[in-house]
Amino acid sequence: AQTVTQSQPEMSVQEAETVTLSCTYDTSESDYYLFWYKQPPSRQMILVIRQEAYKQQNATENRFSVNFQKAAKSFSLKISDSQLGDAAMYFCAYRRTQGGSEKLVFGKGTKLTVNP
Amino acid sequence: GAVVSQHPSRVICKSGTSVKIECRSLDFQATTMFWYRQFPKKSLMLMATSNEGSKATYEQGVEKDKFLINHASLTLSTLTVTSAHPEDSSFYICSARKRAGGSDEQFFGPGTRLTVL
Repeated sequence: AQTVTQSQPEMSVQEAETVTLSCTYDTSESDYYLFWYKQPPSRQMILVIRQEAYKQQNATENRFSVNFQKAAKSFSLKISDSQLGDAAMYFCAYRRTQGGSEKLVFGKGTKLTVNP
Repeated sequence: GAVVSQHPSRVICKSGTSVKIECRSLDFQATTMFWYRQFPKKSLMLMATSNEGSKATYEQGVEKDKFLINHASLTLSTLTVTSAHPEDSSFYICSARKRAGGSDEQFFGPGTRLTVL
């Protein structure tokens, strides 16, 4: 079974600084999706960024970028120029692309605090 | 993007009663919806996968007779917690799968906080 591990229960960053959240996963599949979701205090899950495993290029979305290391099964999220609104729980997630199982497998999450 | 709503956002009920939570995809059709449960400061735990027009697929350890799921249309799935007890108190989140134009993504509802007295 696939597993997703987030080894940092909590992280903090100064406003305008850069922070990296770690995520590793375990799978025997060669093609899959990886995601980072943000859950602010409102509890609404928001997709931050996604990566398709067959793409070598790291995904970027404005201030958010990933470092996808397929061989190492690592998928870290970098937040640049951190803003107060970035404070939230961040969940890394995995999903197969084939085989009929579209379910997301989530890590335990990392709570990010942004200090003014 | 796409919008998924949940109703109600909060519900308080007495022990032994049943509670129904609705999940709607407002601007797209979703053949597949998912129900999650989230305990405080914890991750999302998948309870079941809801497929339109067929029986839901439950994850191991989830009682299908207690958590009834109905996906009667392409825009609506319901989760009914039957004979609720205080240990069922939790935050329930649904998501809907949108497949269009080569993209395949899940969109989440805002969640429902259930408190069983």
